[in-house]
Amino acid sequence: KAGVTQTPRYLIKTRGQQVTLSCSPISGHRSVSWYQQTPGQGLQFLFEYFSETQRNKGNFPGRFSGRQFSNSRSEMNVSTLELGDSALYLCASSLSVTGELFFGEGSRLTVL
Amino acid sequence: GQQVMQIPQYQHVQEGEDFTTYCNSSTTLSNIQWYKQRPGGHPVFLIQLVKSGEVKKQKRLTFQFGEAKKNSSLHITATQTTDVGTYFCAGQFEASGSARQLTFGSGTQLTVLP
Repeated sequence: KAGVTQTPRYLIKTRGQQVTLSCSPISGHRSVSWYQQTPGQGLQFLFEYFSETQRNKGNFPGRFSGRQFSNSRSEMNVSTLELGDSALYLCASSLSVTGELFFGEGSRLTVL
Repeated sequence: GQQVMQIPQYQHVQEGEDFTTYCNSSTTLSNIQWYKQRPGGHPVFLIQLVKSGEVKKQKRLTFQFGEAKKNSSLHITATQTTDVGTYFCAGQFEASGSARQLTFGSGTQLTVLP
């Protein structure tokens, strides 16, 4: 069974640009969560989607948005990038909203 | 906001020594999960604890959930070099209801010296 796939794995952007990250969950998993990981702040929850609906959102500015498609694939978008947005963005899928999370390898974003 | 505090931040041990990391929350958790992240890798699920006072074992790893469901610990007996990585606890607060918002601890980075 294929794991969680995130694309792109690495990307470099400049301040003010926007970025879209993609996540394909494990087949059959309908819950997709996004996390931002930085050395200083650790793993911080961005949002969670279940069956195309955003069920929960972390404490991030409106520049961070996401969506989930009918096939459970998810995308997150960050607009007007800031230097502080440089981080590893992790997507995780699970069978249920209380079950274990299966993380992807992450998308490492560098903002210059 | 709701936080899960995890200590220590770093731990260096000699191979064969034991290791423990602790997580504490100021409010009751409905469940707590533990993950391990190897250097350069992504978090990998280890276990979930749900019941008050629950203790679970996986080979050399022992996980505990406090009676008040506000604290948890992971203990590794006789560490090996393969145990190197960062161990995270992640708590789900009871108030979050049916929505998932796992709050991760800051992690304990374990180094095992051969």
